[in-house]
Amino acid sequence: DVKVTQSSRYLVKRTGEKVFLECVQDMDHENMFWYRQDPGLGLRLIYFSYDVKMKEKGDIPEGYSVSREKKERFSLILESASTNQTSMYLCASTHDRFLHEQYFGPGTRLTVT
Amino acid sequence: AQSVSQHNHHVILSEAASLELGCNYSYGGTVNLFWYVQYPGQHLQLLLKYFSGDPLVKGIKGFEAEFIKSKFSFNLRKPSVQWSDTAEYFCAVRDGSSNTGKLIFGQGTTLQVKP
Repeated sequence: DVKVTQSSRYLVKRTGEKVFLECVQDMDHENMFWYRQDPGLGLRLIYFSYDVKMKEKGDIPEGYSVSREKKERFSLILESASTNQTSMYLCASTHDRFLHEQYFGPGTRLTVT
Repeated sequence: AQSVSQHNHHVILSEAASLELGCNYSYGGTVNLFWYVQYPGQHLQLLLKYFSGDPLVKGIKGFEAEFIKSKFSFNLRKPSVQWSDTAEYFCAVRDGSSNTGKLIFGQGTTLQVKP
């Protein structure tokens, strides 16, 4: 079974803090994704990576950055957290982003106060 | 830009009722289609997918979906829902000609099944 894990289920941070969200997958997948999930908006892609040290902007990259130093780990960084970044963050991975489905982690619910 | 629309935002059914959740997408080319489900407190998981072939796709837990190309639709169905089907359901589309392979998700439909 594919396993995608995220470092925290719940996180509370203050405005202006730098926030790191970590995601690890154990299936040697090349492709990893970060989404945010908001009520009524579904999932929106923030960034994705198709190889180590490679990254591509998704649909809503503003205010975020990512890091992929190792194949199994994909980090989402909020350089200076703001209240409008309060959301559920989901990580996903897939072996082949054109042919296969994505496997999701449990999510991190981030609250920025 | 591609978009995915789920018409029903919140559906309430009694057990044993039939279910149909609508999903329409905007792209006219080759698409891959998915339905994901998120049970309360759990991670998103795949219900079923369509890539090619028979447009009627069967998934897990008795769910099925029909791809109707002329209507740009991929509606999810289940003949008889159970209380355990209470969850949020997401339709997603992948542009088959895209060089990113990214998924576009609909807004989600919350299904509440009353026992």
